Amino acid sequence: SYELTQPPSVSVSPGQTASITCSGDKLGDKYASWYQQRPGQSPLLVIYQDNKRPSGIPERFSGSNSGNTATLTISGTQAMDEADFYCQAWDSRTVVFGGGTKLTVL
Amino acid sequence: EVQLLESGGGLVQPGGSLRVSCAASGFTFSTYAMSWVRQAPGKGLEWVSGVSGSGSTSYYVDSVKGRFTISRDNSKNTLYLQMNSLRAEDTAVYYCAKWWRGDLVPGYFDYWGQGTLLTVSS
Repeated sequence: SYELTQPPSVSVSPGQTASITCSGDKLGDKYASWYQQRPGQSPLLVIYQDNKRPSGIPERFSGSNSGNTATLTISGTQAMDEADFYCQAWDSRTVVFGGGTKLTVL
Repeated sequence: EVQLLESGGGLVQPGGSLRVSCAASGFTFSTYAMSWVRQAPGKGLEWVSGVSGSGSTSYYVDSVKGRFTISRDNSKNTLYLQMNSLRAEDTAVYYCAKWWRGDLVPGYFDYWGQGTLLTVSS
């Protein structure tokens, strides 16, 4: 079965840029999406189709996908961005999630 | 405004059964595929099953095949997940999530419910 691999944790200082990676075999040939989940809340779509932002998602969130790696980039990270982030793709009639990355803003 | 409201979670003994529901509003339910995604305590997201807008096509993760059945009633704008032969490892918050289009093709979830907790324990 298809697997997506994320680093368990990423730390960033306020105002700096955070990058969260998601790796999978030929992931660049698929569409990658990203979800933010704050503690006690449901997931929220922040990036879809590799690099598109849903309405209401701040411009500081951006995405890219090439080769075997998709990347979520948060520019000018704010304290409110502290959350778990999950990448997601579709493979062989199934939805696949990465294991999640805890973003700490300190 | 899109709203997804899950219900039906609870405490079930191993080997037991339960049906959870998701009441949808704010969009034309029958024209969108829907899925169930679960999250075990302190763990990540796991997709469980998806069903097309018409209800004619459904897919499952291997670990629930033969035990879980996804269905929908488009006249009631409601999604269901019938869970049988439950195991301790099925313990999780079960989220209802709306797919971006009506058929189960590559894509993403654009809306999520608040989840309902299933605990499988004796």
